[in-house]
Amino acid sequence: QQQVRQSPQSLTVWEGETAILNCSYEDSTFDYFPWYRLFPGESPALLIAIRPVSNKKEDGRFTIFFNKREKKLSLHITDSQPGDSATYFCAARYTGNYKYVFGAGTRLKVIA
Amino acid sequence: EAGVTQSPRYAVLQEGQAVSFWCDPISGHDTLYWYQQPRDQGPQLLVYFRDEAVIDNSQLPSDRFSAVRPKGTNSTLKIQSAKQGDTATYLCASSPGTGGDEQYFGPGTRLTVL
Repeated sequence: QQQVRQSPQSLTVWEGETAILNCSYEDSTFDYFPWYRLFPGESPALLIAIRPVSNKKEDGRFTIFFNKREKKLSLHITDSQPGDSATYFCAARYTGNYKYVFGAGTRLKVIA
Repeated sequence: EAGVTQSPRYAVLQEGQAVSFWCDPISGHDTLYWYQQPRDQGPQLLVYFRDEAVIDNSQLPSDRFSAVRPKGTNSTLKIQSAKQGDTATYLCASSPGTGGDEQYFGPGTRLTVL
């Protein structure tokens, strides 16, 4: 059973639009949810993260909305730019240890 | 501050051959992770260490894969007899562990098994 699910698998938006990337999880013991961004040829890099005590986290154009009851979170990228084109991974970390589970990723393409 | 380094960057093998991957984490990071990332999938944890101790290797195919971190710094991941299904990028990451949340990833080793 996949612990972390992401949708859609791929997403195309126009420059200036808001891209919405979804993530859901199974295990209620996850205590930390980072989003990583992966550009082709590079390694994953932390973009933004949230803990379940919060329902929203903002960092510039990037916002995480978190719904603990439904075990869902989403990453909103406002005013999308072509440079945002990348694969975005939602991850979750188990409480009490430092083990992470990653989703399969959403491939975002922003068209100018 | 130097990031996580990995070598080699690329490897091409025939089935049945062995290969080793090497990782040097960020200095002072006590937690080190090895992930396998098949094409078009997310990273999948193979094993992770805190210092020299294996904390979780439940996803490591123990019949062919092994990983060590003898001094709690550098680490080696070895595949004894590679299979085509092992074709993937192998990522090493480190984190401060109890000192912080963020994982820092290395550039990865792209393995192709023919």
